[in-house]
This record gives sequence, structure tokens and C-alpha cells, in this order.
Amino acid sequence: EPEVTQTPSHQVTQMGQEVILRCVPISNHLYFYWYRQILGQKVEFLVSFYNNEISEKSEIFDDQFSVERPDGSNFTLKIRSTKLEDSAMYFCASSDGLGPSGANVLTFGAGSRLTVL
Amino acid sequence: DAKTTQPPSMDCAEGRAANLPCNHSTISGNEYVYWYRQIHSQGPQYIIHGLKNNETNEMASLIITEDRKSSTLILPHATLRDTAVYYCIVMAWEYGNKLVFGAGTILRVKS
Repeated sequence: EPEVTQTPSHQVTQMGQEVILRCVPISNHLYFYWYRQILGQKVEFLVSFYNNEISEKSEIFDDQFSVERPDGSNFTLKIRSTKLEDSAMYFCASSDGLGPSGANVLTFGAGSRLTVL
Repeated sequence: DAKTTQPPSMDCAEGRAANLPCNHSTISGNEYVYWYRQIHSQGPQYIIHGLKNNETNEMASLIITEDRKSSTLILPHATLRDTAVYYCIVMAWEYGNKLVFGAGTILRVKS
């Protein structure tokens, strides 16, 4: 079964450092997403991406965050200057926009755990 | 904000059916009901979705009331591996629309 692949699985970084989280979405999918989950809290939407541009972003997704699809397969989330509160699990998801009965089903990766010290 | 109400937790005996309720009294005509689950901080996993008819797949069944204001996810024979947080989400079908997660229901399957 096709899957969304995320790397690294765990990254530890110092506050103020730049971090890039990588995702390989399912190959025929067109819509890409990043979500995060702080330990013990809800899964929160960060950003959606389609046709090489951001479709929607949440209030969390401020100027410290950016996304990019540098080639035909990768989808990256960059945090420019990490803060302690950026420590979380980051989930990438993708969708073909359609699915059984024409509904939008998202497939999630296993996540990247970011720890900011 | 999430448009659904779910009980915070439920227990189920292994091998028995798990029935997870969800209230979505403000659902609109173009909104689907989706169920996802998250096993121990793994990525959310799609289970099933429906618009107004009952649906069944290899994982579960989804029963939607006639007025569409509530639904029930049924895991027919729960196993220990079904212990997870289950999210009921309503979302309009639009290209590339996002899921908004609430707190979900923690289902504990016990032997």
C-alpha cells in the first residue's frame, strides 16, 4: 500500500537553529499538508500546499515556517529559528483530492519528532 | 474549531464490538463524516467516511442517523491493537480541504 515517508524520525536541535523536515508524499497525490502535535495535545493544522503554492495556512504558520516542493517528490517544512515551543511531532499528509465516493482522504506519514533544547 | 462532540474515553472488551458515538448536530448538507484514528502518537490513519448512507469497509462500519446529526463508528471485533484515539471529523468535500482534529475518543480495548 502506498505510504507517506517522513525523515528524520527524530531530530534534536538547539534553540535558534534551522530545521528542515522532509516528506515524500504518495506519488500521484497533488495536495500536501503539514500538521503538528505537541505532546498530549490535539493534532493541529499548519499548512496546505497545491500546485507549488500555499493553499491555506493556520495562525501557527508564521514567518518562521516555510514549505517547499524542491523537486517532483519531496515536500519540506523549514523552521528558520527554532523555539522551545516548536518541540512537537510534525506530520506530513498527502491527498489526491479525490477518493472513494469523491471525498478527500488524507494519508499521513509516521511523523518527525522535533525536540528543541 | 472541531464541529463534533465525542466522549473523551471508552473501554471495550477484546473480541466485542466497539461502538464509538459522535454528535455533529450542525453538519451541513455538503459535509462528509470522516473517522480517523491515531495509535500511540503515530500518524493519523483513515478509517472510513460517509455522507448519508451507512458505510462498511474492511476496518469498520459507519452508521449515520437519518437526520445526519450523529453517527456511530463500529469496530465489529475489537482487538488490543485497536486501542487508539478515534477522531470524528466533519468536512465539506472540496479539493484539497483540510481536516480539523478535535480531542477524539480514547478507546481502550482490554483483554
